[in-house]
Amino acid sequence: GDSVTQMEGPVTLSEEAFLTINCTYTATGYPSLFWYVQYPGEGLQLLLKATKADDKGSNKGFEATYRKETTSFHLEKGSVQVSDSAVYFCALSDHAGNMLTFGGGTRLMVKP
Amino acid sequence: DVKVTQSSRYLVKRTGEKVFLECVQDMDHENMFWYRQDPGLGLRLIYFSYDVKMKEKGDIPEGYSVSREKKERFSLILESASTNQTSMYLCASRWEREQFFGPGTRLTVL
Repeated sequence: GDSVTQMEGPVTLSEEAFLTINCTYTATGYPSLFWYVQYPGEGLQLLLKATKADDKGSNKGFEATYRKETTSFHLEKGSVQVSDSAVYFCALSDHAGNMLTFGGGTRLMVKP
Repeated sequence: DVKVTQSSRYLVKRTGEKVFLECVQDMDHENMFWYRQDPGLGLRLIYFSYDVKMKEKGDIPEGYSVSREKKERFSLILESASTNQTSMYLCASRWEREQFFGPGTRLTVL
């Protein structure tokens, strides 16, 4: 079945550091890929998405590129802020777009 | 903006109690989902519904049931709560390939 693997956290960075959170997937067909963010005490919010190979999703300074050859969708940000501290989930949807499969989540902590 | 609301943010129940978790969405979405979130395990699908009175089991349905009497409301029921059901429960509704999540209910079963 489909699966998503992302790096375990916590990831601790200083403000303005470069961020990479790795995400790889296993899926049949042509899934769409997502990054969701969960701020403390809140539900998940969609951060960005990509629906086909080589697409780049971007939002709020975060980017991720759908790499079919390496089955990856790594999340990057050039300069993190304290307000980016949250848990980040990589996910894929099945080819029909009905179901989401999530990775285990990566907690990011940004220190001033 | 899509809004998904859940009836409680925090809930404490005793072993053996019947527990109802309510979820309401305001965007007329047909598909709704219940997940539980546990550290290191990400989100796991309990049940989903693709229409009123229709339901399908997800990956971990044991110990849970659901009810969808109206399109906007999807309820998760723990018939007899157990301590291993202590978790964060998240509801979502879907439009095309995107899911919209509620704020979650943190349930503690003593």
